[in-house]
Amino acid sequence: GAVVSQHPSWVICKSGTSVKIECRSLDFQATTMFWYRQFPKQSLMLMATSNEGSKATYEQGVEKDKFLINHASLTLSTLTVTSAHPEDSSFYICSARDRAGTTDTQYFGPGTRLTVL
Amino acid sequence: GENVEQHPSTLSVQEGDSAVIKCTYSDSASNYFPWYKQELGKRPQLIIDIRSNVGEKKDQRIAVTLNKTAKHFSLHITETQPEDSAVYFCAASKRSGGYQKVTFGIGTKLQVIP
Repeated sequence: GAVVSQHPSWVICKSGTSVKIECRSLDFQATTMFWYRQFPKQSLMLMATSNEGSKATYEQGVEKDKFLINHASLTLSTLTVTSAHPEDSSFYICSARDRAGTTDTQYFGPGTRLTVL
Repeated sequence: GENVEQHPSTLSVQEGDSAVIKCTYSDSASNYFPWYKQELGKRPQLIIDIRSNVGEKKDQRIAVTLNKTAKHFSLHITETQPEDSAVYFCAASKRSGGYQKVTFGIGTKLQVIP
């Protein structure tokens, strides 16, 4: 149980294009999902918290117009990197907490490696 | 905001020896401390967690201790095996705006030498 999937697993795009990453909770409902960014050999940095049916909460320094988040259902959140540039190249990981769970455990997706040329 | 410091950044141990990773946190409101293991190119996997009302928790070869007063918590792995080699992240979590906000340490790369 508590499986989180991400799609795509990797993507290469040209500078200036937009890329959408999907995060799905496969066997549970998640009112809240989290988007992280991880640079090579570095830690996970929280970018934003995605709330079902409402606006995302962004961490300080994260541009909300650059990283669009939509949490349209209890099992799906999407992150769109708009007008991507090479500095946006990174490993993006989502996580979700089981809405019905009794713990605060977050379950992570497998990540999406974005390379912007 | 919360600040989590983790050390060492790299750790090499001989197979069978113990490994200890230490973390400190700054926000006394943090009440949940998970530890994640991440193998290269893969997702972080929860290996053990502890709540602030508990001082120690053990699961087979893995144990975590928490000192709330000092704001320290540590991961102990005994009888290490090569498959324990990975990056380990500690984290401190507190309730914020209706959900648990997690702040991660920088990670410790553990290498177990056969």
